[in-house]
Amino acid sequence: EADIYQTPRYLVIGTGKKITLECSQTMGHDKMYWYQQDPGMELHLIHYSYGVNSTEKGDLSSESTVSRIRTEHFPLTLESARPSHTSQYLCASSDTIFATNEKLFFGSGTQLSVL
Amino acid sequence: SQQGEEDPQALSIQEGENATMNCSYKTSINNLQWYRQNSGRGLVHLILIRSNEREKHSGRLRVTLDTSKKSSSLLITASRAADTASYFCATSARDDKIIFGKGTRLHILP
Repeated sequence: EADIYQTPRYLVIGTGKKITLECSQTMGHDKMYWYQQDPGMELHLIHYSYGVNSTEKGDLSSESTVSRIRTEHFPLTLESARPSHTSQYLCASSDTIFATNEKLFFGSGTQLSVL
Repeated sequence: SQQGEEDPQALSIQEGENATMNCSYKTSINNLQWYRQNSGRGLVHLILIRSNEREKHSGRLRVTLDTSKKSSSLLITASRAADTASYFCATSARDDKIIFGKGTRLHILP
């Protein structure tokens, strides 16, 4: 198992609340990703980072924001949660910046339900 | 986007049989990878094959890559109940993103 941790594991929250999903890795990986996945469906890339102070938007438009102040920490924030944000959020890190060999290590995910 | 598309969407086989899943993609890639996901969990990396490789083995897994057809296959031999999971292909291209397909849900029957 990889050393990448997501908290909380499950979150049920009311509409309009601000939430932060935490992701931390202890492997010293520079590159990190956030994916969104609905049950039984594909993963959609919403954010990624090459390292400290780097954040990039993915292919799926998202109302969430991310920050990368420390190598090991890549939190995702929703300023005002809505029911359409209900989904599983998966954080991953990469063991290399060289695309030829890049593979991902995933956390267990946060299942978010917005009522 | 250069998203992978897995085929079939779902597959049920008897324990001990071989399972084959296919993946097609749209644009040039650096590598193609296969991941496994157990229900409600994160993904686990299985195997990576580079664009200049044609076949790769890891234990009971065999992956092939045909860049002329933009397709890959994953073969799991002598399937076990523990192989029940969703399997995703993912491609890495020059834009530095790793993009996943829709996945194949594999169910191993006892």
